Amino acid sequence: NAGVTQTPKFQVLKTGQSMTLQCAQDMNHEYMSWYRQDPGMGLRLIHYSVGAGITDQGEVPNGYNVSRSTTEDFPLRLLSAAPSQTSVYFCASSYGGEVQFFGPGTRLTVL
Amino acid sequence: GENVEQHPSTLSVQEGDSAVIKCTYSDSASNYFPWYKQELGKRPQLIIDIRSNVGEKKDQRIAVTLNKTAKHFSLHITETQPEDSAVYFCAASINAGNMLTFGGGTRLMVKP
Repeated sequence: NAGVTQTPKFQVLKTGQSMTLQCAQDMNHEYMSWYRQDPGMGLRLIHYSVGAGITDQGEVPNGYNVSRSTTEDFPLRLLSAAPSQTSVYFCASSYGGEVQFFGPGTRLTVL
Repeated sequence: GENVEQHPSTLSVQEGDSAVIKCTYSDSASNYFPWYKQELGKRPQLIIDIRSNVGEKKDQRIAVTLNKTAKHFSLHITETQPEDSAVYFCAASINAGNMLTFGGGTRLMVKP
């Protein structure tokens, strides 16, 4: 099993550009989440999904969209990138009440 | 929503000493409290977790204690080793394993 995978590993965007961060898991997990990690602020939940076709907002959803068309994939879309979205983004998955497994992260810089 | 505070933000200990990291949470409905270790440039990885029906849990040199009345939980690492150096995050969740709210992290440095 590959576990949780994320692409790309690094990305540089200009202000106003849009892009999609990819996340996939092969563990048949119901739950998937997106977090951003900023220095000194831990990880903050952006959006989450409890199953295909079901998504909801987390603590910091503004500027991001998600969809969950399959169990395996949970892409995160930045609609119009801003410097405040410079961060490390982690995708995670879990099965019901079990442990959350994190992907390797995507380091995003917005100029 | 849930708010998790973590202290200290940095902790330096000598190899072999014990380290204690403390967290408080605000929502009494939270019932799942994991601890993650993150090495530099790597993903967070679970090291231990505890559920609200348990007061203490141990795994070799690591232990976690939970005080539901006071709404705080702590990570204890005994006989610290240089490889324990990392950032440690506590978290809390109402739906065990999902929608985690994280503390701000503690950078632990173990000096040889």
